[in-house]
Amino acid sequence: DGGITQSPKYLFRKEGQNVTLSCEQNLNHDAMYWYRQDPGQGLRLIYYSQIVNDFQKGDIAEGYSVSREKKESFPLTVTSAQKNPTAFYLCASRDQYATNEKLFFGSGTQLSVL
Amino acid sequence: GENVEQHPSTLSVQEGDSAVIKCTYSDSASNYFPWYKQELGKRPQLIIDIRSNVGEKKDQRIAVTLNKTAKHFSLHITETQPEDSAVYFCAASKGNTPLVFGKGTRLSVIA
Repeated sequence: DGGITQSPKYLFRKEGQNVTLSCEQNLNHDAMYWYRQDPGQGLRLIYYSQIVNDFQKGDIAEGYSVSREKKESFPLTVTSAQKNPTAFYLCASRDQYATNEKLFFGSGTQLSVL
Repeated sequence: GENVEQHPSTLSVQEGDSAVIKCTYSDSASNYFPWYKQELGKRPQLIIDIRSNVGEKKDQRIAVTLNKTAKHFSLHITETQPEDSAVYFCAASKGNTPLVFGKGTRLSVIA
């Protein structure tokens, strides 16, 4: 599963600070996603992008921002407006034009507040 | 939008017994239903999926059934083994829309 890489593995945020989580894929996938995972809450969609220079809000976009300047990259910024950022963040991608809609996940970033 | 409910939230079975996890979805237009397994500290991995034109799919010890009329689908694991212990997520989507996940089931297989 080396096709999608997230970094860093662990990240700490101070009060009032913005932090950026990296997600890179070499699978040539058009669609990329950011999910937030909290214990007992499943995976909730933050933002997604189906094409370069375009992205849409998911169910819990408040306090987050994204960019999609390159097909391979979809970074997520957790802003100071996100008051409860501690969670496990998963990036994913898929080839939405193929018959196999399998979602490929990165290994995740655990974000904690100092 | 789509809403996926998953039950139970935790499940304990004896090794060798079967485990069943059930999900319901709200959007009758959803046509793709995957199941993911997530081991502790690792990324979710697809274990099986089913499309709306099929009622059942099997892969060795795991199977998924789909009832489109009732809008529910289930994961069946037979002859459970300790390595089946993990959190399992169901999901649903239609066309190119993002997957909507259930809240997960923590399965514990007791040796």
